[in-house]
Amino acid sequence: DAGVIQSPRHEVTEMGQEVTLRCKPISGHDYLFWYRQTMMRGLELLIYFNNNVPIDDSGMPEDRFSAKMPNASFSTLKIQPSEPRDSAVYFCASSPRGTHNYGYTFGSGTRLTVV
Amino acid sequence: AQSVAQPEDQVNVAEGNPLTVKCTYSVSGNPYLFWYVQYPNRGLQFLLKYITGDNLVKGSYGFEAEFNKSQTSFHLKKPSALVSDSALYFCAVRAFLHNDYKLSFGAGTTVTVRA
Repeated sequence: DAGVIQSPRHEVTEMGQEVTLRCKPISGHDYLFWYRQTMMRGLELLIYFNNNVPIDDSGMPEDRFSAKMPNASFSTLKIQPSEPRDSAVYFCASSPRGTHNYGYTFGSGTRLTVV
Repeated sequence: AQSVAQPEDQVNVAEGNPLTVKCTYSVSGNPYLFWYVQYPNRGLQFLLKYITGDNLVKGSYGFEAEFNKSQTSFHLKKPSALVSDSALYFCAVRAFLHNDYKLSFGAGTTVTVRA
């Protein structure tokens, strides 16, 4: 298994531009999570999905952020328009359902820089 | 609400000495507890978990953690630290709630092991 795959690994964009981050979870995992990591705020849960349905989006900072999961193998996190304060590392993670495993598998992250 | 506190931003130890990274948690009901490690420019990697059973949990790379319900703690330990253990360590908790897979992470503790 290739693990959780995120793309791109690095993204540099200008303020006001649209940014789309992508994630492919591990096959068979029912849960998908988007986290943001910054020095100031640590790891913040933005949103998570169960079977492609958003369950909790209370961590999404504002309307500029949106996330979708059109199918079990793909999710996107979009920022439009982007701002310098959105600069962070964005992680995607997935987890299976069941009583034997309650941890996440994380992707390598996308480092976003908004200038 | 669930939360995790890692009271030390940094822990410095000499190679060969014991390493302890502290974690306390707050959750309604029984907790599921996890430790993750993050190396520079990488995603988080699972180290170990406590679900139920023995209070001493053994994990990857010689790490172990002790669950203490009365003190609501889950400290990470390694008897003899290696320079390669230098990394950022996160404690995480989730409550045993049906269909709630949301993990809350601590702020992280940077471990530096000097040769």
